[in-house]
Formats: sequence, C-alpha cells, structure tokens
Amino acid sequence: QKEVEQDPGPLSVPEGAIVSLNCTYSNSAFQYFMWYRQYSRKGPELLMYTYSSGNKEDGRFTAQVDKSSKYISLFIRDSQPSDSATYLCAMSMNTGNQFYFGTGTSLTVIP
Amino acid sequence: DGGITQSPKYLFRKEGQNVTLSCEQNLNHDAMYWYRQDPGQGLRLIYYSQIVNDFQKGDIAEGYSVSREKKESFPLTVTSAQKNPTAFYLCASSGLDRVNQPQHFGDGTRLSIL
Repeated sequence: QKEVEQDPGPLSVPEGAIVSLNCTYSNSAFQYFMWYRQYSRKGPELLMYTYSSGNKEDGRFTAQVDKSSKYISLFIRDSQPSDSATYLCAMSMNTGNQFYFGTGTSLTVIP
Repeated sequence: DGGITQSPKYLFRKEGQNVTLSCEQNLNHDAMYWYRQDPGQGLRLIYYSQIVNDFQKGDIAEGYSVSREKKESFPLTVTSAQKNPTAFYLCASSGLDRVNQPQHFGDGTRLSIL
C-alpha cells in the first residue's frame, strides 16, 4: 500500500463548478499537508500549506485536513479554465525533511 | 525574483553518455532535492542534500550522482548506468530554519534518449 493515495482522474467539470480533490494516507505521523498545482511541462507550484487538522482558505481555494480519517481535501470554488492542471497532494512528518507525494489528479475546467 | 532555475529545459542523451542537469536557487534554502516524475507514478526522490558537501540517497539513486559544492547549486548527473533515463526531472528546495517548510520547485528538465 502506498503511503499517499490520490485518484488520478481525469476529472472534467464545467466552468463555475465547485471542484473537490482528495488524498488519503496511511501514516499517522504526517503533520504537514500541501497542495501543489502543476501545469503541463512546468514544475509544481505550491498552492496551500497546512499544519495538523482543520481548514485553511485562500481566495477560491480551501484546504481541509481530517487527521482522524487520514483524509485531506482541496476545494476550488467558481472554477476557471485556468485551473486546468494536475493537482498533487504532499505531506511530511514533524521530524526529518522528507516529503511524500500523491500521484496527482488531472483536472480540466470546460468553458 | 527569488526562485529555482533548472537548465536545460530539454536534454537528449546518447547511449553510454553521462549528462548533467543544472539546478540553481536564490532562495537561501539549505535543503535541495532531485525528483524524477514519470506518468502515473508521481514524484520519486533521487537524492537530497541538507548542507553543503553532504547528500543522501533517495528511493531511486542507482544510476545517478550529485554534488553540493555551493549552497545555491545542486547538479544531477545521469550516468550511463541508468538504463531508463527518459523522464521529467524536478529540482526542489526548502528552508530548514523552521520545522518542515514546504518545498518549492523549478520548472524541470525533460530528458530523452536519442
């Protein structure tokens, strides 16, 4: 079993829809959770960075962490065609400096 | 602008040849990383370094080598021993002054076999 599981999609939604992207994990030691957006032929760009459980909002993006269920989510409100990309979740522990990535979910927002 | 610069953007390797991928950062980050990205497999860690002149193997270090002579630079050499080098290579860095700062990435180098 991989430490971080992410549905690869592809996910296709109409413009303006609310998008929900999810990851599950098996290691209860994970404390830091990240979401990256990666456009084709580009490097991942950090979108959200959260510590432990709870919600964090930044503009149209909301990151949610449920440590009891080992489940994290990224919500995108009022999705735009420019949101079309692959979204990667990542997580790390309190000690060491290694990061564990999901395989990414491909999202297309149709105008 | 602060960031991570990877070069070249595209690279072609002949059989039996070693090639070196460049990674430079001006974020004053202590830690630097190399990942390989293949379709459907996510990011796999090749090497990482937390301090100058020191580095550790990641999950798939065989056929690769690195050096860390300067804080800003972490070049990756793909040797002829790496039999399947075609992939997208990503360099990342992170600070270590606070616990678990997130990684920031460059825009990658795509390596192909001629």
